[in-house]
Amino acid sequence: DIQMTQSPSSLSASVGDRVTITCRASQSIRNDLHWLQHKPGKAPKVLIYAAFNLQRGVPSRFSGSGSGTDFTLTISSLQPEDFATYYCQQSYSAPYTFGQGTKLEIK
Amino acid sequence: EVQLVESGGGLVQPGGSLRLSCAASGFTFSSYWMHWVRQAPGKGLVWVSGINRDGSSTYYADSVKGRFTISRDNAKNTLYLQMNSLRADDTAVYHCVREFDSGGYWGQGTLVTVSS
Repeated sequence: DIQMTQSPSSLSASVGDRVTITCRASQSIRNDLHWLQHKPGKAPKVLIYAAFNLQRGVPSRFSGSGSGTDFTLTISSLQPEDFATYYCQQSYSAPYTFGQGTKLEIK
Repeated sequence: EVQLVESGGGLVQPGGSLRLSCAASGFTFSSYWMHWVRQAPGKGLVWVSGINRDGSSTYYADSVKGRFTISRDNAKNTLYLQMNSLRADDTAVYHCVREFDSGGYWGQGTLVTVSS
């Protein structure tokens, strides 16, 4: 199985901050990497698919980069509604594994 | 608008069975792979099973292989997960997910609780 390692596991930041979350795969996954936002009691929401493609309707302050084994999600200017848990996920090969999550909290 | 609405969760005793359903709308259901992903209380997301567009190929996590069966009815725009021999560690919210690679969409999930 492909292991996905996210860092950090938690993060405190303020509105307006620039935030970066990283995800590393245990082997190359080309660009088959997706970023999700999850708020309690809500459906997870895809922000970025295939490493850098912005999902329809997602604000442009979210961006993704990387390929192979190392990937990054960047939020250019945090908004109050962005405080949530973020996951990376690979779809290169089954079982389709997720990172352990990054909980983004208000400082 | 893409909508995925899960149903069928509930409380079941260890060893029991449940069938989850996911009603899809807002897109051409038969054109997409579909998946089930679960989240146990306080834990992360775990892929459970996937099925191709016409239902001819299915895939399972090792933890559910031989106990769970994924299927779909493209005429009814519905995805299913038949869960047998349920165990306490199957307790989770189960989400229906439209194909990962083309910008996935997730349902809100249905809670399955396995307890005596």
